Amino acid sequence: SQQGEEDPQALSIQEGENATMNCSYKTSINNLQWYRQNSGRGLVHLILIRSNEREKHSGRLRVTLDTSKKSSSLLITASRAADTASYFCATDKADNFNKFYFGSGTKLNVKP
Amino acid sequence: EPEVTQTPSHQVTQMGQEVILRCVPISNHLYFYWYRQILGQKVEFLVSFYNNEISEKSEIFDDQFSVERPDGSNFTLKIRSTKLEDSAMYFCASRETAANQPQHFGDGTRLSIL
Repeated sequence: SQQGEEDPQALSIQEGENATMNCSYKTSINNLQWYRQNSGRGLVHLILIRSNEREKHSGRLRVTLDTSKKSSSLLITASRAADTASYFCATDKADNFNKFYFGSGTKLNVKP
Repeated sequence: EPEVTQTPSHQVTQMGQEVILRCVPISNHLYFYWYRQILGQKVEFLVSFYNNEISEKSEIFDDQFSVERPDGSNFTLKIRSTKLEDSAMYFCASRETAANQPQHFGDGTRLSIL
């Protein structure tokens, strides 16, 4: 299976702390994407990182990709209560960009 | 910012009935997708659609399912004879071009089969 798996499954931190979530996958990819999902809502795209990139930043978000280990991490710095959500990674396959695989997600709770 | 819109937000249907879920992708996007998420589980790929035909489908997408782009704006998912296990959130997504572009998701349709 190509499916990415995030860890931890759940993470509870205080506002202002950093949150790190990890994603592992199994086969070569074109890109890896991170999404956020608030309870009962759709998926909001956060960052896309290509297989030839190692790190990307967007505001308080930092994503790294290690293709040799087939893993990625999402760091949220200076977390806020509004960051409380589930976070998912999604990957395609290097020979097929038409099908995407989501992990089970990390449920982040940021306590005010 | 352009959005993917899905209707209805909640659909309740009797088992065995047909249901059509509707999506309006972002207007200049060329690739369209349906996913589902059973409560508490991961998001599962159903089907991708490009140039008026299915480009990829999962094992879940059996003969009960079909997709259509009936006009220039709508993208629909039809489930012919619903089963209890079809109860889930169904998400539509679109993407502008092929590789290395993000998918943009709608807010989903919650399908409840009674």
